[in-house]
Amino acid sequence: EAGVAQSPRYKIIEKRQSVAFWCNPISGHATLYWYQQILGQGPKLLIQFQNNGVVDDSQLPKDRFSAERLKGVDSTLKIQPAKLEDSAVYLCASSRLLEGEQFFGPGTRLTVL
Amino acid sequence: GDSVTQMEGPVTLSEEAFLTINCTYTATGYPSLFWYVQYPGEGLQLLLKATKADDKGSNKGFEATYRKETTSFHLEKGSVQVSDSAVYFCALIPDTGRRALTFGSGTRLQVQP
Repeated sequence: EAGVAQSPRYKIIEKRQSVAFWCNPISGHATLYWYQQILGQGPKLLIQFQNNGVVDDSQLPKDRFSAERLKGVDSTLKIQPAKLEDSAVYLCASSRLLEGEQFFGPGTRLTVL
Repeated sequence: GDSVTQMEGPVTLSEEAFLTINCTYTATGYPSLFWYVQYPGEGLQLLLKATKADDKGSNKGFEATYRKETTSFHLEKGSVQVSDSAVYFCALIPDTGRRALTFGSGTRLQVQP
């Protein structure tokens, strides 16, 4: 069974630019999560989808971050415009059920200069 | 809100030494507790879990017991190997409300031959 796929693996941008990350969850997994992991900290949830509906986006900075999960499969996380403090690893995870084990992708490392 | 506190690293041990990584949590009710591991260059992987008080999770020689009275979930291994070198994250999912993981800040383990 293929794991969670993410791209790109690395991205370097200037502040105020835009960036988008893509995630393909494990086939059949209804729940998808985006986490932000700042260096030296544990991952923090940004948004959680159940199929193509948002379950929790309470910690998503909605003035600059947006996410969508069209057709309940792939998901895209966008930052516009980026700030220096957005430098982090962005992790995507999926689970078969809302309360099931979460499987993580390799992450996208974003550097904002 | 819910939180997880881990001992700071790095923890440096010699091969075959005994390992303990402390983890305590703050949450109402009976959260589910987890240990995740991140090997160099890889994504987060679930190491073990416990879903109710006094449960013991175990995997690959690692163990952790859910102690409700001390709100703790310490990770132990009797004899570490060089291949155990990684970052270890303690995490919880509350039993009500938001069902996403809340992580500790991680503890880096370095095992020397």
